[in-house]
Amino acid sequence: NAGVTQTPKFQVLKTGQSMTLQCAQDMNHNSMYWYRQDPGMGLRLIYYSASEGTTDKGEVPNGYNVSRLHKREFSLRLESAAPSQTSVYFCASSVQGGLNYGYTFGSGTRLTVV
Amino acid sequence: SQELEQSPQSLIVQEGKNLTINCTSSKTLYGLYWYKQKYGEGLIFLMMLQKGGEEKSHEKITAKLDEKKQQSSLHITASQPSHAGIYLCGADIVFSSGSARQLTFGSGTQLTVLP
Repeated sequence: NAGVTQTPKFQVLKTGQSMTLQCAQDMNHNSMYWYRQDPGMGLRLIYYSASEGTTDKGEVPNGYNVSRLHKREFSLRLESAAPSQTSVYFCASSVQGGLNYGYTFGSGTRLTVV
Repeated sequence: SQELEQSPQSLIVQEGKNLTINCTSSKTLYGLYWYKQKYGEGLIFLMMLQKGGEEKSHEKITAKLDEKKQQSSLHITASQPSHAGIYLCGADIVFSSGSARQLTFGSGTQLTVLP
């Protein structure tokens, strides 16, 4: 089915370990986003990419890096995981960021850092 | 996000009761979205509002955007257990100067419907 696919669905890391969360969309969307969701705080934007090859910081970018080498893929990397990064991560995409266009979300990656 | 204030944070209602969730911003909202999330799952798109005074309905859920485009409400009529979940409002807000508007969310409302 067309949509946004995130991998892995679950991950446990030790403090200091690194990992990359993968996100792929097959809808030919221009814009892609990474959010984290924490209890009582809704979803907060980490990074976004308005088009292939470009990335920008969102509300909470510290401790993360992103890569958008190809239009359909947007990866989120944690270089040195910290317990504060325990969260549920959502990837989303849209035809074009902003007005008039809807957003499609992946099913999420539940990350625990111990 | 502090850009969007959502209330209440949690709501427990008896099945069959009506309820309202509010989403407020001090800035003009360009595109107001309502999503629903079941625990452990992704976000399900409910509705998008763009014009001041706009109102949309889907089954027993009605969303409105006020004339000033700074407040939206989500109203559920005759609630059912299937309505339970987290309701999130989102709006297109500029994060950095010169960039396109990006989707930012309120803190969510946890709805429980008692049978």
